[in-house]
Amino acid sequence: KNQVEQSPQSLIILEGKNCTLQCNYTVSPFSNLRWYKQDTGRGPVSLTIMTFSENTKSNGRYTATLDADTKQSSLHITASQLSDSASYICVVKKTGGYNKLIFGAGTRLAVHP
Amino acid sequence: DAGVIQSPRHEVTEMGQEVTLRCKPISGHDYLFWYRQTMMRGLELLIYFNNNVPIDDSGMPEDRFSAKMPNASFSTLKIQPSEPRDSAVYFCASSLVPPGALSTDTQYFGPGTRLTVL
Repeated sequence: KNQVEQSPQSLIILEGKNCTLQCNYTVSPFSNLRWYKQDTGRGPVSLTIMTFSENTKSNGRYTATLDADTKQSSLHITASQLSDSASYICVVKKTGGYNKLIFGAGTRLAVHP
Repeated sequence: DAGVIQSPRHEVTEMGQEVTLRCKPISGHDYLFWYRQTMMRGLELLIYFNNNVPIDDSGMPEDRFSAKMPNASFSTLKIQPSEPRDSAVYFCASSLVPPGALSTDTQYFGPGTRLTVL
């Protein structure tokens, strides 16, 4: 069954600290993996996208990694800021159309001062 | 560009009433999507259009849901009759290119409509 599992479900960290969010998937055949950031009351915004051949991709303080062999991805946030408080959603796409997107349940991150 | 525009932002209605959600995609985007998000099920694709034509509506929960795209700049999602279990945030998204175009097949989401059915 095609699944995307994210952990932890929620996380609280202090401003300035680093954190890592996990995404494990069983989706096949694999096309790409995206991390989205969703602020409260807003739609998701794409942070990074990685294909099978890419191991790491950075977007400012956000760094995503992908291990296609173990089917695991992580999103590392460096020097967290209050504005990083949001839900982070891992989305894996199978080959094919837009109806081949498998969404994770998300990790809710709260950054406290 | 103003991004994807959705209206209303919030809708509260009573069970049995008809609800119409509206979406204006980003100009020039050929793909339009309707999603539903709940705490229990996360984001679910309901239907998507390409050049105003529905491509896949397998995610539409039942016959009470219908979606139309009469032109390239407007789409509606209608629920008739509405039920309390339809309460969710409904997102519209649009994309410029066909799926599989790697980094360019990004979907741009609107702010969502929070629907509450009493």
